[in-house]
Amino acid sequence: DGGITQSPKYLFRKEGQNVTLSCEQNLNHDAMYWYRQDPGQGLRLIYYSQIVNDFQKGDIAEGYSVSREKKESFPLTVTSAQKNPTAFYLCASSIGTSGINEQFFGPGTRLTVL
Amino acid sequence: AQTVTQSQPEMSVQEAETVTLSCTYDTSESNYYLFWYKQPPSRQMILVIRQEAYKQQNATENRFSVNFQKAAKSFSLKISDSQLGDTAMYFCAFMKHGGGGADGLTFGKGTHLIIQP
Repeated sequence: DGGITQSPKYLFRKEGQNVTLSCEQNLNHDAMYWYRQDPGQGLRLIYYSQIVNDFQKGDIAEGYSVSREKKESFPLTVTSAQKNPTAFYLCASSIGTSGINEQFFGPGTRLTVL
Repeated sequence: AQTVTQSQPEMSVQEAETVTLSCTYDTSESNYYLFWYKQPPSRQMILVIRQEAYKQQNATENRFSVNFQKAAKSFSLKISDSQLGDTAMYFCAFMKHGGGGADGLTFGKGTHLIIQP
């Protein structure tokens, strides 16, 4: 089955700790994205990557970091510099970054800071 | 930068009725794409329908259709013969042609649609 997996589904973090969210896809897509969703809000773009070893900041990149060492994987690290990290995080991928290419979404990770 | 506005936080209709969700957007781009995404209680984002701005014909996917008014920057979603499974959050989204960059997909805040039996 082709698709996008995110793990874990629920994640709890103490204040001051870094935490890494996993995103894996087996769709052979070049582009991958991380979005954040807060209650009553739409999704906001954190980072995106068009190809391996390349990534760009989105609208709300502060306090986050990413890597793209493999085509299939695009992990997101939420650092202690992120002031309000409690949110629902969604990973997506597409064949390319043009709007003609549909973005497929993973099931999401719910991060809660205790 | 683009903005997407959904003015209806919540809507409720009876099963089998037709419902229209509103979306307006603001952009200086001349070529772009517009999307409607559905997010059911499972929180999985699902693409419902897509419209290319350079196409005048409104997109249709089975019971889902859009009314795209480029001059008015309006992009409404019509759901015909609504079903209980249509209950979800619906997000309108924008992407400029060529995509990428910090623009990516820009989302509205969503409309919670409830289909009553």
